[in-house]
Amino acid sequence: AQTVTQSQPEMSVQEAETVTLSCTYDTSESNYYLFWYKQPPSRQMILVIRQEAYKQQNATENRFSVNFQKAAKSFSLKISDSQLGDTAMYFCAFMMPPNDMRFGAGTRLTVKP
Amino acid sequence: AAGVIQSPRHLIKEKRETATLKCYPIPRHDTVYWYQQGPGQDPQFLISFYEKMQSDKGSIPDRFSAQQFSDYHSELNMSSLELGDSALYFCASSPHETVYNEQFFGPGTRLTVL
Repeated sequence: AQTVTQSQPEMSVQEAETVTLSCTYDTSESNYYLFWYKQPPSRQMILVIRQEAYKQQNATENRFSVNFQKAAKSFSLKISDSQLGDTAMYFCAFMMPPNDMRFGAGTRLTVKP
Repeated sequence: AAGVIQSPRHLIKEKRETATLKCYPIPRHDTVYWYQQGPGQDPQFLISFYEKMQSDKGSIPDRFSAQQFSDYHSELNMSSLELGDSALYFCASSPHETVYNEQFFGPGTRLTVL
């Protein structure tokens, strides 16, 4: 079974600074997808960034980028120039197509002014 | 752009009652997923459907059932409700042939069992 581990229950960062959220996963498969979802106080699940396991290049979406280390089964999220609106729960998720998605326990990020 | 629609957004039920949650996927999405997120928990996969057939099953209690209809909307039926069923229930949809298999989440239905 696939498992996803987020070892940082809570983190905080000053506005405009950079923060990295950690995620590790366990699988024996070679073809899978990884995602970071953001859940603000509204509880809406919002996709932040995605990474296909077969791609070596790290995904980037504006201020969000990942450090994907396939051999180490690590998938960290870096948020640059943090903004107050980035305050949310962040869930790392693993999916092996076409099955269900497994989420980590989440990291609560607080951006301080 | 159209998003996943869930109804109702909020639902309050008594113990042992029955509840039905509805999900309307994004147009042309043929796969639907249901998740349960308890207070302070991560979303837990319940069940998924592709082309009206159950495609995968997670930690869905036997008291719950679900189906997908010909217009691809899905309903989650919950019977003999228990206090522990109080949670946020998400529906997500995706087009089956998508390379990324990205799931688009609805706003959720908050179920409170008293």
